Amino acid sequence: GEDVEQSLFLSVREGDSSVINCTYTDSSSTYLYWYKQEPGAGLQLLTYIFSNMDMKQDQRLTVLLNKKDKHLSLRIADTQTGDSAIYFCAESSLNQAGTALIFGKGTTLSVSS
Amino acid sequence: GAVVSQHPSRVICKSGTSVKIECRSLDFQATTMFWYRQFPKQSLMLMATSNEGSKATYEQGVEKDKFLINHASLTLSTLTVTSAHPEDSSFYICSARTLETQYFGPGTRLLVL
Repeated sequence: GEDVEQSLFLSVREGDSSVINCTYTDSSSTYLYWYKQEPGAGLQLLTYIFSNMDMKQDQRLTVLLNKKDKHLSLRIADTQTGDSAIYFCAESSLNQAGTALIFGKGTTLSVSS
Repeated sequence: GAVVSQHPSRVICKSGTSVKIECRSLDFQATTMFWYRQFPKQSLMLMATSNEGSKATYEQGVEKDKFLINHASLTLSTLTVTSAHPEDSSFYICSARTLETQYFGPGTRLLVL
């Protein structure tokens, strides 16, 4: 079945860039997503990329997609302590009811000042 | 961006009682909503897909008679946990689907004593 893999932890210093990596298996994925979850909260959509793109930039966020290697990354420039959270990579996948999201286990980003 | 609300945000109930959780899309209509469950420090597990005006589609291993889903309108889906037991304690998150992505609610923390 479909699978999404992420590293579990990343620790950076304030002001540095953070790069969170993700690999997926479903080559038919149409969209790939990055969500942010703060403690006790729901998921906030950060950005998403269509599978025919290889890069998308949105302010401090840069998403890179290598479709050949099925590798997705999220770069956060000038990381701030408020960026500390869990970041989930997700791919869209067809299930019997339509399209659902398959999530990775999440990468916990810790930003120290 | 699109806003999805959930109510209640937190509920504590006695074992054997039923609990209803509401998920609303506030500024858009959603023919499809999803219900997820998240255990501490784990990823989201898709429980079911809720389609307006039709029966929900449950993922393998999810008991449809225990987790009743009703999607009566284009802006509201409800999840009822029937005869709740302590092992049902979890964080339940809904999402509402747009053409390209899903927007998530803030989640409901359920604690069954």
